[in-house]
Amino acid sequence: HSVLTQPPSASGTPGQRVTISCSGSSSNIGSNTVSWYQHLPGTAPKLLIYLNDQRPSGVPDRFSGSKSGTSASLAISGLQSEDETGYYCVAWDDSLNGPVFGGGTKLTVL
Amino acid sequence: QVQLQESGPGLVKPSETLSLTCSVSGGSIKNYYWSWIRQPPGKGLEWIGYIYWSGNTNYNPSLKSRVTISVDTSENQFSLMLSSVTAADTAVYYCSRHYDFWKGFDYWGQGTLVTVPS
Repeated sequence: HSVLTQPPSASGTPGQRVTISCSGSSSNIGSNTVSWYQHLPGTAPKLLIYLNDQRPSGVPDRFSGSKSGTSASLAISGLQSEDETGYYCVAWDDSLNGPVFGGGTKLTVL
Repeated sequence: QVQLQESGPGLVKPSETLSLTCSVSGGSIKNYYWSWIRQPPGKGLEWIGYIYWSGNTNYNPSLKSRVTISVDTSENQFSLMLSSVTAADTAVYYCSRHYDFWKGFDYWGQGTLVTVPS
């Protein structure tokens, strides 16, 4: 099982706002920053959010991140059909001295 | 645009050594940290280890006894060796670049499936 906990699935209709949660512990999310990735199987994962809430250039502002305590969230507003894919959270873990991952959330646009 | 491409055998026999290379194009391997990550079928992602361009490494303790990551700056590539493989090592293997030491992974390869038959 994955160190960080994400819901296996999420869904929304076009134009809606959806959020994906990521729960961890004091050794990872509680003391380090979170990053989020979009991943279509068979392709290279894409960095969406780093340092909890920062977007790399080229990532639409429809994507936003937040962190509170030992949990983090990815929000996608103005949902589009092209957003239908998988999303992963990642955080550095002080116990592992390396990154740990969420199990991934499959987003369906209804 | 930085691109990473994994290469290596797609089938490795049990007890043998898995060997993969990540070729970096569109940018230098220098001054960055680089990781190997894997995802077994139907399971989550697992960090294997990272290397700094100068050669310093850090491995996941669960795999440390079997893993070696090396770098070749002249070829702009880094490599993974995983010894004594079993069916449990069957996975899609990804290489990635760290954004600074740790702000996340800013570039990834598309992954390569390595199968170890049982």
